[in-house]
Amino acid sequence: ETGVTQTPRHLVMGMTNKKSLKCEQHLGHNAMYWYKQSAKKPLELMFVYSLEERVENNSVPSRFSPECPNSSHLFLHLHTLQPEDSALYLCASSQDRSRVYEQYFGPGTRLTVT
Amino acid sequence: GDSVTQMEGPVTLSEEAFLTINCTYTATGYPSLFWYVQYPGEGLQLLLKATKADDKGSNKGFEATYRKETTSFHLEKGSVQVSDSAVYFCALSGDTGKLIFGQGTTLQVKP
Repeated sequence: ETGVTQTPRHLVMGMTNKKSLKCEQHLGHNAMYWYKQSAKKPLELMFVYSLEERVENNSVPSRFSPECPNSSHLFLHLHTLQPEDSALYLCASSQDRSRVYEQYFGPGTRLTVT
Repeated sequence: GDSVTQMEGPVTLSEEAFLTINCTYTATGYPSLFWYVQYPGEGLQLLLKATKADDKGSNKGFEATYRKETTSFHLEKGSVQVSDSAVYFCALSGDTGKLIFGQGTTLQVKP
């Protein structure tokens, strides 16, 4: 595997379910990110991890819980979601958080909350 | 705060036409500027970048020049192909390292 991978690619869950999204980067990067992409809205940065430490949480509801066990893996744990949480969730990584480094994105997980 | 504004889409062109997608930004300091492309059903891919004023980023026939005087980073391509149909995002990264995206511009190229 190369680049940034995400699993699953598609997920349908009820509002009472608990599920997790997984992201893995094979680039040796030190920073990882979760974004939410909804129709007709700009990409929303949710969480930032640098060297496995959460450095940013953009007022994301507590029903989204991130976890970064090591610099290669990032999880997003989901519980009691709402229908408006249906979106494409994108993971990204970068060398570090310096402005000169681009972010590399995974293919995303398409989440549908029923 | 920092922000990016892109032209509204969709942009519909015939194959081999010239493409311009406008992007302007507001930022303090000296941000880096990026263009990302998203093909249907996929994540975002970096298309090109520029990290300082007057830099020109280029890739796959696409070009954009970092214009500090006009705070712009317009994307251009001399001859588009059907395979260029996608959503294009302009973005900046400032002192915090956070990527700020524009709303995206959908490009449709017809044969």
